[in-house]
Parts: sequence; structure tokens; C-alpha cells
Amino acid sequence: DVKVTQSSRYLVKRTGEKVFLECVQDMDHENMFWYRQDPGLGLRLIYFSYDVKMKEKGDIPEGYSVSREKKERFSLILESASTNQTSMYLCASSLQAGGPDEQFFGPGTRLTVL
Amino acid sequence: AQTVTQSQPEMSVQEAETVTLSCTYDTSENNYYLFWYKQPPSRQMILVIRQEAYKQQNATENRFSVNFQKAAKSFSLKISDSQLGDTAMYFCAYNNAGNMLTFGGGTRLMVKP
Repeated sequence: DVKVTQSSRYLVKRTGEKVFLECVQDMDHENMFWYRQDPGLGLRLIYFSYDVKMKEKGDIPEGYSVSREKKERFSLILESASTNQTSMYLCASSLQAGGPDEQFFGPGTRLTVL
Repeated sequence: AQTVTQSQPEMSVQEAETVTLSCTYDTSENNYYLFWYKQPPSRQMILVIRQEAYKQQNATENRFSVNFQKAAKSFSLKISDSQLGDTAMYFCAYNNAGNMLTFGGGTRLMVKP
């Protein structure tokens, strides 16, 4: 079974702090994704990566950056956290980025910025 | 840009009954893929069922089936013989074979005993 893990289930940070969210997958998937989940808005793509050191912006990249130094690990970085970044963050991976391939999701990190 | 709309924020159904969740989408593409994902309370999101637009036959996975109406751009999910474990958020999603999956706003389904 594919396993996608995220470093924290719950995180509380203060405005202006630098925040790192880590995601690891164990199935040698090429593609990894970071989503933000908000009530009524569903999931919105922040960034995705289709290879090591490669990244592309999603729908809402502003205020975020990412890093993929190893195939299995994809990090989301909030350079200076703000209260409007309080949300649930979901990581996912897939064998192929598009088409019929299933995305496998991590358990999510609920981030609160005070 | 593609959009996916789920018009029912919340629904409930009695155990063992059938429920249908609605989803509509907007696209100018002819070939694409549609998905239903399930997110149980405090658990990871999982794929329920997928449909390829070029296939006219509706996809079925055990108690889950879809009604895919390509001309109407509609993709509803039918859950038969509802079980307590079906209680979850359900998300409809669209992919046009590109890199990005577009999700609807979700429908919260409660199965009542």
C-alpha cells in the first residue's frame, strides 16, 4: 500500500514565523502535490513537483514556496506565516501527474496561525 | 479554467438506503477524467471511483456507481445500501490529462442509523 505521511497533524504558529510542512511518500512516485483545504472551497492546489528539484505553481502559490531535494520528500514552506494561512494542508503523490492516475493523500496538517 | 461545482454542501441518508451526490463541471475539452474522492472524519482521503470521458459506460465499484452525462457535464455519485462507514466528505474532481486536479467544494454526507 502507498503510504503518504506528513510531519505534524496539528501545528500552531505565530504571525511572521517561518513554517515548514514535510511530506514523505514511500512508493517511488514521480509526482507530489500540496493542497490547501478550506470549508466550501474544496481542495486548491498550491504547488506540485514532477521530479526532484522541479516544481510548478498551482492555483494559489502566493505566500508559499516548496522544496524537493529527494524523490520521496516534498516540503511546503510558509516564509512568513499570516493568519489567512490558517487552514488544513494536504500532501498527495501519484505515479503520473495527469490522466486517470489516482492521487494518494496524507492525513493532513491542520495549521493555526495566531 | 475548469470549474467543478457540488451544489449540496450537506446531505443525510438512512442506513441501507440509496443516496445520490451531484456534481457538475465546466470544460471545453473533449477528453478528460472525473473522480470521486472520500474523506472520512479524521482519516485520509481515498479514491472512490473514476470515469474516463471517452467511455460511455458508467463506472461502478461495488455499492458505488456514477451517472455520467457528458453533454450535460454532470457526474453524480450514487451510493446504494448506505453504511455508517460511508459517513464522510465527498469531493468530485476533474482532470484533463494535464497536471492539475480541480476539486469541487465537497458534500458532507451523514449516514444515520
